[in-house]
Amino acid sequence: EAQVTQNPRYLITVTGKKLTVTCSQNMNHEYMSWYRQDPGLGLRQIYYSMNVEVTDKGDVPEGYKVSRKEKRNFPLILESPSPNQTSLYFCASSPSTLKPYGYTFGSGTRLTVV
Amino acid sequence: GDSVTQMEGPVTLSEEAFLTINCTYTATGYPSLFWYVQYPGEGLQLLLKATKADDKGSNKGFEATYRKETTSFHLEKGSVQVSDSAVYFCAVENTGGFKTIFGAGTRLFVKA
Repeated sequence: EAQVTQNPRYLITVTGKKLTVTCSQNMNHEYMSWYRQDPGLGLRQIYYSMNVEVTDKGDVPEGYKVSRKEKRNFPLILESPSPNQTSLYFCASSPSTLKPYGYTFGSGTRLTVV
Repeated sequence: GDSVTQMEGPVTLSEEAFLTINCTYTATGYPSLFWYVQYPGEGLQLLLKATKADDKGSNKGFEATYRKETTSFHLEKGSVQVSDSAVYFCAVENTGGFKTIFGAGTRLFVKA
């Protein structure tokens, strides 16, 4: 089944403890992106990647890192999480940016930082 | 920069009622427009899209027409069902395709 898989689904952590949220897609998509969803704000883009080893900042990149060493994986790293990073996170992918395909989304990761 | 404005929710309708969710956008160039749907506890799913002016996207009884003159992409359905209860997001993808801006979402409740 074609899908975007995120792990974990739920995570509670403490301020300052480094964490990684994994994202993997099995569709050979070139483009991948991370969003956070907050009430009343919709989805805001954190980082995106056009292809392997090509990443760039979205609208809210502060406090996050990403890497794209393989085409299928696009982990989101919070090196020193803070309570304002408590949110619902979504990974999304698309075949490429050459046409408006639309995104396939993962099921989300609900992160709570205390 | 690009932006999307959706009507605030929640929208509450009875089954078989007509649905309209308004969406307007600002964008440069020739953006593509999308509607996504999010069911409780799930990620967003692509509902429909339109890639140029006057295009109509449609899927599962939902429709939206790309109106460049009014910069709008309103979502409509002639007869909603309880199973349509969800949050609906309007989105605009920039001409380069590397950035998609989402609206704040509109929650729809459909009563039996």
